[in-house]
Amino acid sequence: DAGVIQSPRHEVTEMGQEVTLRCKPISGHNSLFWYRQTMMRGLELLIYFNNNVPIDDSGMPEDRFSAKMPNASFSTLKIQPSEPRDSAVYFCASSPGRTGGGEEKLFFGSGTQLSVL
Amino acid sequence: GQQVMQIPQYQHVQEGEDFTTYCNSSTTLSNIQWYKQRPGGHPVFLIQLVKSGEVKKQKRLTFQFGEAKKNSSLHITATQTTDVGTYFCEGPGGSYIPTFGRGTSLIVHP
Repeated sequence: DAGVIQSPRHEVTEMGQEVTLRCKPISGHNSLFWYRQTMMRGLELLIYFNNNVPIDDSGMPEDRFSAKMPNASFSTLKIQPSEPRDSAVYFCASSPGRTGGGEEKLFFGSGTQLSVL
Repeated sequence: GQQVMQIPQYQHVQEGEDFTTYCNSSTTLSNIQWYKQRPGGHPVFLIQLVKSGEVKKQKRLTFQFGEAKKNSSLHITATQTTDVGTYFCEGPGGSYIPTFGRGTSLIVHP
């Protein structure tokens, strides 16, 4: 199994530009999560999908952020327009299920290091 | 909402010393997961605890789940430089949304 695949690994962009981060979860996993990690705020959950449906997006900072999961094997996180304060590592994670049945563990991708200048 | 607190934030040890990190939840947890993140890496799942009072071991690592299922600990015996990293606990909140502690960063001095 290839694990959770994220692209790109690094993204450097200028303020105001659109940024799209991509994620391919592990096949068969029902839950997908987007996290942002910074030194100041730690791991922040941005959005959580279950069976391709957004369950909780209360962590999305503002309207500049949007996420989609058009099918079970692909998700995107878009920032438009980007700002310097968006600079962080963005992780995608998938899980077999989050239903209390013992399959709650998360598998993380390698992350995207985003730098907005 | 649910909060998961982890202490200490940082821990410096000499190689060979023991290390413990503690995790406390504001609510009772159905289960708790532990992860390790190496510097520059991503969090990697270590173990899941489900039962009240459960203790699990992985070589030099010992994981405990409290009797009330509101706290947990990770203890490393005789640390090695390969143990360097940040250790996170995670518990499911409402709708089983994963809630992570801030993590404990372990620095091992040779």
